[in-house]
Amino acid sequence: DAKTTQPPSMDCAEGRAANLPCNHSTISGNEYVYWYRQIHSQGPQYIIHGLKNNETNEMASLIITEDRKSSTLILPHATLRDTAVYYCIVNWGNKLVFGAGTILRVKS
Amino acid sequence: DTEVTQTPKHLVMGMTNKKSLKCEQHMGHRAMYWYKQKAKKPPELMFVYSYEKLSINESVPSRFSPECPNSSLLNLHLHALQPEDSALYLCASSQVIGGSSYEQYFGPGTRLTVT
Repeated sequence: DAKTTQPPSMDCAEGRAANLPCNHSTISGNEYVYWYRQIHSQGPQYIIHGLKNNETNEMASLIITEDRKSSTLILPHATLRDTAVYYCIVNWGNKLVFGAGTILRVKS
Repeated sequence: DTEVTQTPKHLVMGMTNKKSLKCEQHMGHRAMYWYKQKAKKPPELMFVYSYEKLSINESVPSRFSPECPNSSLLNLHLHALQPEDSALYLCASSQVIGGSSYEQYFGPGTRLTVT
């Protein structure tokens, strides 16, 4: 079973920041937080991951709380092409367990 | 190059057919994966190969037979499938260093329909 809880859906205005929350209260000390997204009818796409510290790359920022029980994925300037299902996964090793994810709809 | 390719894109097969799905990556990754995704559901792990050896089989029926002929190729052989096996089959690859955790790169998938 997935070890994360995400809201089923969110809306975001184009050009605004999209903040996607994830709860992972049972995360173990060596487990990473991963974010993937899946645009309709495509394979999942890796976005970002982190262990304890906040992380940023060209796609997004990942904010992990100090107790590691929750995190937020931030897309700083959402575009229509960011409409997708976003999956938050806690993982160590090579066995990904996907939950239901959050459907993000970016609207003009 | 962060591309994982899968062929064919679409496959329609009868329940008595034998077919194969193919996956290829040239990123030097030594772990490769097969996932199954039913409509409106998240992907589910089927198999994991690490250094060309099967390391995880998620209790998948024997009508699905994986094969990893070399470090760049992964096949999924299909035989006597059922209509409920119709799904998107996704391949992925990742690094394997010291048993730690690395991001997986996914292919576009093969849309399989069993008639």
